[in-house]
Amino acid sequence: GAVVSQHPSRVICKSGTSVKIECRSLDFQATTMFWYRQFPKQSLMLMATSNEGSKATYEQGVEKDKFLINHASLTLSTLTVTSAHPEDSSFYICSAPEDTDTQYFGPGTRLTVL
Amino acid sequence: SQQGEEDPQALSIQEGENATMNCSYKTSINNLQWYRQNSGRGLVHLILIRSNEREKHSGRLRVTLDTSKKSSSLLITASRAADTASYFCATVPNSGGYQKVTFGTGTKLQVIP
Repeated sequence: GAVVSQHPSRVICKSGTSVKIECRSLDFQATTMFWYRQFPKQSLMLMATSNEGSKATYEQGVEKDKFLINHASLTLSTLTVTSAHPEDSSFYICSAPEDTDTQYFGPGTRLTVL
Repeated sequence: SQQGEEDPQALSIQEGENATMNCSYKTSINNLQWYRQNSGRGLVHLILIRSNEREKHSGRLRVTLDTSKKSSSLLITASRAADTASYFCATVPNSGGYQKVTFGTGTKLQVIP
């Protein structure tokens, strides 16, 4: 089946730095991608909808200046965590719908901010 | 925001027993999906059930959907130690286009060998 990849799989950074996470749909085009965050032992919370060719749509409570999303092409969306702090440490997962019923999830990126 | 609530939050059973997890949701849906997540790993899609379906089977999995009660259940029969994972229900709303998948709170299943 279709595959969505994420890079990197894990990243450790110092407080105050910015981290970019890539999400790619490998064999299908995705005009829309979704970004989720998952804290330890909790469920996935939708952060934002990434739209190719237009601005991302953020969920309530998610700071758009903190989490910059760029849908650079039909197969790539990036999430940049700017000026990261320890409370941003989390598991970030993207997903890409192939059609209205089928959505593929990436393997996730574990971010640790020291 | 969380769409679904799942119960139990945690479930521990012996290998060979059946495991049942329940999910309740709040709004009208197009479909409901179940996912598995092993600790620290990504999501694995298990099964999708549409709003006009009542029951669906896939191998040892059986999913039911009751749209009048806004609830679903996932039954894993003859459980194995490898089934140990967290299970999430996820709903897709009924308003067309590519929809946001909203996840429930999850059930952590432990199957004891």
